[in-house]
Amino acid sequence: GIQVEQSPPDLILQEGANSTLRCNFSDSVNNLQWFHQNPWGQLINLFYIPSGTKQNGRLSATTVATERYSLLYISSSQTTDSGVYFCAATYTGTASKLTFGTGTRLQVTL
Amino acid sequence: SAVISQKPSRDICQRGTSLTIQCQVDSQVTMMFWYRQQPGQSLTLIATANQGSEATYESGFVIDKFPISRPNLTFSTLTVSNMSPEDSSIYLCSVDERRRYNEQFFGPGTRLTVL
Repeated sequence: GIQVEQSPPDLILQEGANSTLRCNFSDSVNNLQWFHQNPWGQLINLFYIPSGTKQNGRLSATTVATERYSLLYISSSQTTDSGVYFCAATYTGTASKLTFGTGTRLQVTL
Repeated sequence: SAVISQKPSRDICQRGTSLTIQCQVDSQVTMMFWYRQQPGQSLTLIATANQGSEATYESGFVIDKFPISRPNLTFSTLTVSNMSPEDSSIYLCSVDERRRYNEQFFGPGTRLTVL
């Protein structure tokens, strides 16, 4: 089946540090999204990025569709960045069904 | 983006009982989805709910256990039937916003604990 893998699985950062999260997917994608799940379980949309690069404040993302990976960059991390980051993809013929990655659990400490 | 609400936000239930979760959207959407997130795990799609047709279930999920209704373009329900402790999860609904290139947005989730 379709695989979406994320690395690293866990990450601990000191406040102010930068980080890169990676998402590898096994097939060509129609849609690639990044989410942040906060400690209350809410999924926050970060990026819709099937290809190219986008930036939103301290966050940016790049998807290289031909090489089947996406990267999420977090700069100058803050404690409020803590939580789990998921990438999720939809594939041709799957009618908008999102396949979620395994997630990266981020903890930002003071 | 669409504003999505879910009820209840959390519940604690006894094994053998059933719980119906509601998902309400503030605009008309064609496709709604139900996901399950077991403790410490990623999200798994349960089924796709389109208005006017039977829900389409993913492998490992059956209608008798997770009946779904989709009476109109802004509302859906998911019932978790004959619950066991293994059903303890967060259940989330999502919508597909075609006017935003099929980006999906999620409701706040229902945190279910089965004793």
